[in-house]
Amino acid sequence: KNQVEQSPQSLIILEGKNCTLQCNYTVSPFSNLRWYKQDTGRGPVSLTIMTFSENTKSNGRYTATLDADTKQSSLHITASQLSDSASYICVVSPDNYGQNFVFGPGTRLSVLP
Amino acid sequence: DTGVSQNPRHKITKRGQNVTFRCDPISEHNRLYWYRQTLGQGPEFLTYFQNEAQLEKSRLLSDRFSAERPKGSFSTLEIQRTEQGDSAMYLCASSLETGTSGYTFGSGTRLTVV
Repeated sequence: KNQVEQSPQSLIILEGKNCTLQCNYTVSPFSNLRWYKQDTGRGPVSLTIMTFSENTKSNGRYTATLDADTKQSSLHITASQLSDSASYICVVSPDNYGQNFVFGPGTRLSVLP
Repeated sequence: DTGVSQNPRHKITKRGQNVTFRCDPISEHNRLYWYRQTLGQGPEFLTYFQNEAQLEKSRLLSDRFSAERPKGSFSTLEIQRTEQGDSAMYLCASSLETGTSGYTFGSGTRLTVV
């Protein structure tokens, strides 16, 4: 069964600190992996998209890594800000069609002052 | 173009009432998707359109749910005889037919059935 698992379920850090969120997947075949940020009560916003051949991609203070052999990805947030408080969702897809996206449950990050 | 727009943002309704949500996708996007998201979970696929054709419906889309995209532009999702279990965030997303980028979500409609 195609599944995406994320850890930790929730995380609390102090402003300015770094953190790393994990995503493990069993989706096959694999086409791409996306990380989304979802603020409370809002829709998900894309942070990064990686295909099979990419093992790292950055978007400002966000850096995603992908190990397609072990089927793991991580999202590293550097110098966290209060506005980083949100849910981070890992999405894996066997193709580019949204009906086949497999969504993880998300990691809830809280950044405290 | 300001992205994918969803209305209303919030809807509170009594059990048994019908509700309708609207999604306006990015204008050049020919694919439009509806998802449902409950608290602490990732979105779950409901249905999608390519232009005006509804090409796939998930098992989650019971016969009380119906979606339309009459002119291949905006879409509506109607829930008839709402139940408390329908309480969720309903997300719309749009994309071009191909390519990895350009998949954009709206801000969602939060439905509460009391």
